[in-house]
Amino acid sequence: DTAVSQTPKYLVTQMGNDKSIKCEQNLGHDTMYWYKQDSKKFLKIMFSYNNKELIINETVPNRFSPKSPDKAHLNLHINSLELGDSAVYFCASSSLFSTGSNSPLHFGNGTRLTVT
Amino acid sequence: AQSVTQPDIHITVSEGASLELRCNYSYGATPYLFWYVQSPGQGLQLLLKYFSGDTLVQGIKGFEAEFKRSQSSFNLRKPSVHWSDAAEYFCAVGPSSNTGKLIFGQGTTLQVKP
Repeated sequence: DTAVSQTPKYLVTQMGNDKSIKCEQNLGHDTMYWYKQDSKKFLKIMFSYNNKELIINETVPNRFSPKSPDKAHLNLHINSLELGDSAVYFCASSSLFSTGSNSPLHFGNGTRLTVT
Repeated sequence: AQSVTQPDIHITVSEGASLELRCNYSYGATPYLFWYVQSPGQGLQLLLKYFSGDTLVQGIKGFEAEFKRSQSSFNLRKPSVHWSDAAEYFCAVGPSSNTGKLIFGQGTTLQVKP
């Protein structure tokens, strides 16, 4: 009965490859997010989607492309991986549009991406 | 610009001692404030939040936080720390527009000595 689930948990790949991370939430939330946590544990938003529509795109390289097939899923595809993409990527969801800006985010357990 | 500062990168306390983690924010409007905890290898779990009303808010696991507008602070406290509280703690401030974007502090690592 996991609320926000991400797969895979670990992802090790070589530079130049293309990879995807999947995220699903079963909370009935209307908004989903991708956050990146760097090696210093700093968290920064990358994207957010509401009902399959992009609402935040925070100056992320266009090698990163989020895709939301429905409001319960938000996947992250990364092309031409670089060493600097190594980080932990967190998916999250909230009921932003039904509850408001005080709606807390619910996070998945993260995907640790290592690019060699 | 909106920002959140957690002045203490690392804190060590003895089990049973009291704890206070500091958080200062810079925000143009009335802020929504959150504290999250991250255990090793896990995602972030919400401890508590403030958006209006009583400035002292209670959270899970015996934590509380006090919003002080005059000091732009939202410090997290716990009267008696347990070894299982060792984790990374993040303060975050919410957005003024309907984007859902949270701005996080850099986190405080809490170590608990037996």
